[in-house]
Amino acid sequence: GESVGLHLPTLSVQEGDNSIINCAYSNSASDYFIWYKQESGKGPQFIIDIRSNMDKRQGQRVTVLLNKTVKHLSLQIAATQPGDSAVYFCAENNAGNMLTFGGGTRLMVKP
Amino acid sequence: DADVTQTPRNRITKTGKRIMLECSQTKGHDRMYWYRQDPGLGLRLIYYSFDVKDINKGEISDGYSVSRQAQAKFSLSLESAIPNQTALYFCATSDRGTGLFTDTQYFGPGTRLTVL
Repeated sequence: GESVGLHLPTLSVQEGDNSIINCAYSNSASDYFIWYKQESGKGPQFIIDIRSNMDKRQGQRVTVLLNKTVKHLSLQIAATQPGDSAVYFCAENNAGNMLTFGGGTRLMVKP
Repeated sequence: DADVTQTPRNRITKTGKRIMLECSQTKGHDRMYWYRQDPGLGLRLIYYSFDVKDINKGEISDGYSVSRQAQAKFSLSLESAIPNQTALYFCATSDRGTGLFTDTQYFGPGTRLTVL
């Protein structure tokens, strides 16, 4: 498949362990944040979102944490599986009403 | 996502050629977007459209043009392709939300364009 990013930060975890992927955003006025998953050869796929009036939101096996004080977003994946291997992007809706994407983190799950 | 399709999936062309990338969606969404993705970088917005005939420039619109003649279709053109336009191109759609860009975007599978 296509190479999404040749020089991405990489997180390597053992199957079954929990994964934490971090993202620093730039604009304190951003009010909406999204995590996307991109598998090789595919377009980004929505995982979970959170609005700025929340600090935590849970989905199926995923949790997003938002710390507005330090402008930090994290994605936690419980019991990581081989199918979770992908590149993960955070995106923010900033004051200019544009959706800005981070550079991505590659998650590799070791069997 | 099969609801958003892009054609072609791969294209190799030469400098100076005119190229059109097509995007179609069956989600019934009003809003459509074109992004570009380069290795090691996130997605960057080229153009977006909130309705038929509505066109707005994104972060990197120079060298590109778009057409939104129908709700379901949004095409991206490179009038005279150059090598630094070699990239992955993604189309996305979203429904009307409570504010600009606060609604979830659904992406197509991408088009890999190589300009020699």
